[in-house]
Amino acid sequence: DAGVTQSPTHLIKTRGQQVTLRCSPKSGHDTVSWYQQALGQGPQFIFQYYEEEERQRGNFPDRFSGHQFPNYSSELNVNALLLGDSALYLCASSGRQGGTQETQYFGPGTRLLVL
Amino acid sequence: GNSVTQMEGPVTLSEEAFLTINCTYTATGYPSLFWYVQYPGEGLQLLLKATKADDKGSNKGFEATYRKETTSFHLEKGSVQVSDSAVYFCALVHGSGNTGKLIFGQGTTLQVKP
Repeated sequence: DAGVTQSPTHLIKTRGQQVTLRCSPKSGHDTVSWYQQALGQGPQFIFQYYEEEERQRGNFPDRFSGHQFPNYSSELNVNALLLGDSALYLCASSGRQGGTQETQYFGPGTRLLVL
Repeated sequence: GNSVTQMEGPVTLSEEAFLTINCTYTATGYPSLFWYVQYPGEGLQLLLKATKADDKGSNKGFEATYRKETTSFHLEKGSVQVSDSAVYFCALVHGSGNTGKLIFGQGTTLQVKP
C-alpha cells in the first residue's frame, strides 16, 4: 500500500516565478492538507482540500493556491515567489473513519529553494 | 488560540539513557494529541497519538500520556538508541470531521551519542 507521495523532491526557482507541487494521498484517504516548514521550525498549515474544495485555510497570502482532483490528488501553486517561500512543503492525507478526523499521514516533502 | 509549546533543544543523551521531551498545549475543548518524528532530510512520521484524557499512546518504546489537568503530553523512552536521533514534534488537532488542522510545536532535536 503506497503511502503519501510528493513530486518533485527538490526544486530551485528564482524570485517572481511560479511553482506547482504535487501530492498523491494514501490509498483510501480523501482529504489533503498542505504545510510549509521553514528551516528549524515546525510545519505551518497552509490549507486543506476535501471533495475538491478548500475547506480551511491558514494565515497564508492569496499567492498560495491549490486544487484537488477527482482522484483526491492535489496541487499546491505558489505565484510571484519570494525568497521567504524557501522551505520544505509537506503534504498530508487523512480520511474519515467513524465520522471523526483520522490521523494525518505525511509525504516526504518537496524542498523549494528560491534564489 | 490553540498552541503547542515544546522544551528547547537540542537534547543530547548517551545511548541507553532515559528520555523525556516536554510538551504542553493550549486549546479549548478536547483536542487529539500527536508526536511526529522527522529524520534528517525526510518528512514527518507519526510516532504515537492519544485522542482523549488519560489515554496513553505508545510505539517503538516511546510513550506519552494525555494529561488534561496539566495540559501536557510529554514524550518518554526508557532507553534511547543512536537511531532515535531526530527532531520530535508535538502537535494537536482541533476540529471536527475532516476540518481539523494540525498545530505543531517548534520541534525538539534529540542527539544520541554512542
